[in-house]
Amino acid sequence: DVVMTQSPLSLPVTLGQPASISCRSSQSLVYSDGNIYLNWFQQRPGQSPRRLIYKVSNRDSGVPDRFSGSGSGTDFTLKISRVEAEDVGFYYCVQLTHRPYTFGQGTKLEIK
Amino acid sequence: EVQLVESGGGLVQPGGSLRLSCAASGFTFSDHYMDWVRQAPGKGLEWVGQMTNKVTSYTTHYAASVKGRFTVSRDDSKKSLYLQMNSLKTEDTAVYYCADVGAGYWGQGTLVTVSS
Repeated sequence: DVVMTQSPLSLPVTLGQPASISCRSSQSLVYSDGNIYLNWFQQRPGQSPRRLIYKVSNRDSGVPDRFSGSGSGTDFTLKISRVEAEDVGFYYCVQLTHRPYTFGQGTKLEIK
Repeated sequence: EVQLVESGGGLVQPGGSLRLSCAASGFTFSDHYMDWVRQAPGKGLEWVGQMTNKVTSYTTHYAASVKGRFTVSRDDSKKSLYLQMNSLKTEDTAVYYCADVGAGYWGQGTLVTVSS
């Protein structure tokens, strides 16, 4: 199975400051069609996960443009340009290139 | 508006069985690969299994932790997804989400508690 490793697991951030979460895969996530199926989800306390980013860098409709995704091969990053109070929660990367699909362990973002 | 509504969760004894259901609306259910994902209390997300669509022969895939015990099925005429869980273990205790992980569709989840 593909292992997804996120860091850090805990991320205290001051309001208005940037934040960055790394996600590394144990093998390449390039699919046979040339796409990389790596998504990012946000899970606020008590809520279901919400997709923020799909295929590495495509932001979902309604997601603030302070969220961005980047990366290639086995190394991916989610960035928040200026953290707001509503960003508190857990963030997960997930790969859908290989089955079984696998999630990262999750990163807990909190306000410092 | 996309909606996925799970039902069927509850308390079950170790070794018992339970069947979860998921009712879909707001999208062309029959076109989509559908997943079950679970989240144990205070833990992260774990993909459980998937059934593909008719075009790809309704193929199923499972996590190693549930293979041979859980079965995913669907009824496109009812826009419904199911998860049959047998030989349940205490470590299967979790909120179970019906989802299309690829499309970013998630239900609200249903809690399954396996305990004597």
